[in-house]
Amino acid sequence: EIVLTQSPGTLSLSPGERATLSCRASQSLSSSYLAWYQQKPGQGPRLLIYGASNRATGIPDRFSGSGSGTDFTLTISRLEPEDFAVYYCQQSGSSQFTFGPGTKVDIK
Amino acid sequence: EVQLVESGGGLVKPGGSLRLSCAASGFTLITYSMNWVRQAPGKGLEWVSSISTGSNYIHYADSVKGRFTISRDNAKNSLYLQMNSLRAEDTAVYYCASVAGSGLDHWGQGTLVTVSS
Repeated sequence: EIVLTQSPGTLSLSPGERATLSCRASQSLSSSYLAWYQQKPGQGPRLLIYGASNRATGIPDRFSGSGSGTDFTLTISRLEPEDFAVYYCQQSGSSQFTFGPGTKVDIK
Repeated sequence: EVQLVESGGGLVKPGGSLRLSCAASGFTLITYSMNWVRQAPGKGLEWVSSISTGSNYIHYADSVKGRFTISRDNAKNSLYLQMNSLRAEDTAVYYCASVAGSGLDHWGQGTLVTVSS
């Protein structure tokens, strides 16, 4: 099983600031198989990024993904009030998909 | 509009069974691999199971292997999860989700399963 680790656990920032979220895999992963999701309280997850760097339909360009191998990054260039949420990375490179534990982005 | 609607959740005693359903509308399920993902109260997302378009590739998380069975009926545009030998730690909101590329692009609203005596 590929284990995903996310850091930090919580990121406290102000609107307008840049957010950098990390996802590390326990073994090398094709970038094609790394996705990022946003989840707000009481809602289901929303796909943001697939294939490590491709924005899903309707996702604003302030969200970007990068990385390869075992290290991947989600960047939110300028935080909007609606971006404060929990973010998960997920891999589909093995038969057993796995999610990271999540990073909570909250208002400083 | 693409929509996935889960049903079948509820309260069940430890050792009991439940069958979850996921009905798709606005798109043809047969063209998508499908997944079940769950989220225990206050916890993160946990992938549960996946099934390919033709049901020839099926995978489970170790935590549910041998107890849960995923299936689909493409003619009914529906996905199912048969859950047997339920445990307290299976208590969660269960989501169905469709695969597009390498991501899960459409999600249902979830159905709550509570395992308690």
